[in-house]
Amino acid sequence: GEQVEQRPPHLSVREGDSAFITCTYTDPNSYYFFWYKQEPGASLQLLMKVFSSTEINEGQGFTVLLNKKDKRLSLNLTAAHPGDSAAYFCAVSGSGGSNAKLTFGKGTKLSVKS
Amino acid sequence: AQTIHQWPVAEIKAVGSPLSLGCTIKGKSSPNLYWYWQATGGTLQQLFYSITVGQVESVVQLNLSASRPKDDQFILSTEKLLLSHSGFYLCAWSAQVSNERLFFGHGTKLSVL
Repeated sequence: GEQVEQRPPHLSVREGDSAFITCTYTDPNSYYFFWYKQEPGASLQLLMKVFSSTEINEGQGFTVLLNKKDKRLSLNLTAAHPGDSAAYFCAVSGSGGSNAKLTFGKGTKLSVKS
Repeated sequence: AQTIHQWPVAEIKAVGSPLSLGCTIKGKSSPNLYWYWQATGGTLQQLFYSITVGQVESVVQLNLSASRPKDDQFILSTEKLLLSHSGFYLCAWSAQVSNERLFFGHGTKLSVL
C-alpha cells in the first residue's frame, strides 16, 4: 500500500524565517494531496487540498509544491510567525480515489520562536 | 452548516474497563465517517471507516470495535481497555464522493491507567 514519509519530525525556526516540510509518497497514481494543521490540544484543520495537476499552490502565508516525478509534496511557510507553531500533517489519497485509502505522514512539530 | 460533535472531551479509565466514544454529524446526510487514533505526540492512524449505516470497515486491529447505528452517528468501543489504548481519538467525516477533505471533530483524549 501507499507509504508516506514526512520530514523533519521536528522543526524550530525564528519568526520571519521560512519553514520547509516535505512528504514523499510511493504510489505514482496518487491523485489528491492534503496538508492539515493541528494546534496543541486541538483537532486538525485543513490548510490546503492539492490536485495532482497543479504543481504550485499558493495559500495565505504558505506555498505547497507538488513534484510528481519525484513523488514529493512540500509545504513552505514563508515568514513564519509564532501562530504557525503547530503540528503539520500531509495526507495522500491513494489509487482508486477513495478517502478510505488516505495515508497520513507522521507529522512535523513546528516551533516558531519570536 | 455541518457540525461534528465528539463526546466525551476527555476520559480517564482503568485498564480492563469498557469504553464508548461517540461522534455525531449534523447537517450532512450520508457522510463517510472515520475514526482515527493519535498516540501522544504521534502520527494519525485510521481505525475504521463507514460509508453507510450499519456498515463499518476495520483498517487496523487494536482490540477496538466501531458501529454506525444511525446515519449521523459513529461509535467507538471496547469491552476491555489496554494501556496502549491511551491517546487522542478523532472522528471525521467527508462527503460521499471521492477525495473530499476530512472534517475533524475536536477529539477525545483518553488516558488509560
